[in-house]
Amino acid sequence: DAGVIQSPRHEVTEMGQEVTLRCKPISGHDYLFWYRQTMMRGLELLIYFNNNVPIDDSGMPEDRFSAKMPNASFSTLKIQPSEPRDSAVYFCASKEQTPYNEQFFGPGTRLTVL
Amino acid sequence: RKEVEQDPGPFNVPEGATVAFNCTYSNSASQSFFWYRQDCRKEPKLLMSVYSSGNEDGRFTAQLNRASQYISLLIRDSKLSDSATYLCVVQTGNQFYFGTGTSLTVIP
Repeated sequence: DAGVIQSPRHEVTEMGQEVTLRCKPISGHDYLFWYRQTMMRGLELLIYFNNNVPIDDSGMPEDRFSAKMPNASFSTLKIQPSEPRDSAVYFCASKEQTPYNEQFFGPGTRLTVL
Repeated sequence: RKEVEQDPGPFNVPEGATVAFNCTYSNSASQSFFWYRQDCRKEPKLLMSVYSSGNEDGRFTAQLNRASQYISLLIRDSKLSDSATYLCVVQTGNQFYFGTGTSLTVIP
């Protein structure tokens, strides 16, 4: 298996632009997580899905952020409009249904908003 | 209060040294505990799960103290390749809470 795949790996955009981050989880994994990592705040959970259904989006910072999972093999995280404070590394992770299994992280998308 | 708290370090130790990291968590209902390792500009990867009885994997030993709500990671005979950030992770329900990480640099 190729592991969790994220694209793009790097994104540089200007304030006000729409940004879409993409994730393909590991096949057979039922959970998908979106995280944001910054030096100041560390790794923060934004939202997670179980069987393509959003379960907890309490970590989504504000209405500018939205996430979808239209099928078991694809998820998007969208920021519209983007702001400089959104600059961070965004990780997608997936795991199996079994409660105590580890999460597998993708390589991340490094987002810079100018 | 944060769900998980870690000493950010940095810890700078010579090769061969023993180093220990601690982490505290706030929710007594948390059921699973992990240590992840994150190399610079890379994604976090599972180092080891932490069990109530304590567990060992080579030079690494993890322990859990539920009464005091802390977990620890001990690294013996440190190698240069152990240099990384170590993240304490606590699972409560289906939520995973990550500490901000402890930075370790092993010096030749």
